Amino acid sequence: QVQVVQSGAEVKQVGASVKVSCNTSGYTFSTYGISWVRQAPGQGLEWMGWISAHNGNKKYAQRLQGRVTMTTDTSTSTAYMELRSLRSDDTAMYYCARDRSDSAAAGNLDYWGQGTLVTVSS
Amino acid sequence: EIVLTQSPATLSLSPGERATLSCRASQSVSSYLVWYQQKPGQAPRLLIYDASNRATGIPDRFSGSWSGTDFTLTISSLEPEDSAVYYCQQRFNWPLTFGGGTKVDIK
Repeated sequence: QVQVVQSGAEVKQVGASVKVSCNTSGYTFSTYGISWVRQAPGQGLEWMGWISAHNGNKKYAQRLQGRVTMTTDTSTSTAYMELRSLRSDDTAMYYCARDRSDSAAAGNLDYWGQGTLVTVSS
Repeated sequence: EIVLTQSPATLSLSPGERATLSCRASQSVSSYLVWYQQKPGQAPRLLIYDASNRATGIPDRFSGSWSGTDFTLTISSLEPEDSAVYYCQQRFNWPLTFGGGTKVDIK
């Protein structure tokens, strides 16, 4: 069965970086993509970006451009999301979710990780 | 970017009642509209993809429909476990965007 397991909670200082991992199993990783979504406390869902594990194509939310990098490691079926220059309003639950590998078909997030709480403190 | 407006913000209904949730897009998204359910402390769960297709394992009391830029998620007969926040999301173009959510309370 498909499983998506994320790394544990992080506490970071303002200005630091965080790297969240998303380990998958139960399907052929390289034939899908991964989307990242975050949710600030008590708020709605915010899409951060998408990466194809097939060819490495990426799309990032414009407001995060320059601060976010998404990568995949097909040898371990793991995706990573790094966010730099952290601010207090980056405090949120960060989710990864399985997506399609083709950008034209992306956006149906069918299996989600459990979430990683990132707390940014000053 | 495409803005999705969900209404109502909160819906309070009794078990067995019918729930109708709305999501309006600021421009055409064709049928590329997805619905998710999120319970407290849990990750979202895919319910409906491409406006009207139930995801694997989703009970048939959940259904989706659309007309133009207006999308509807219907829960035909509410169960206590349907208490959650429901989000719509468009995948017509980048960036993917989510609606603000509708909270369904079961009385």
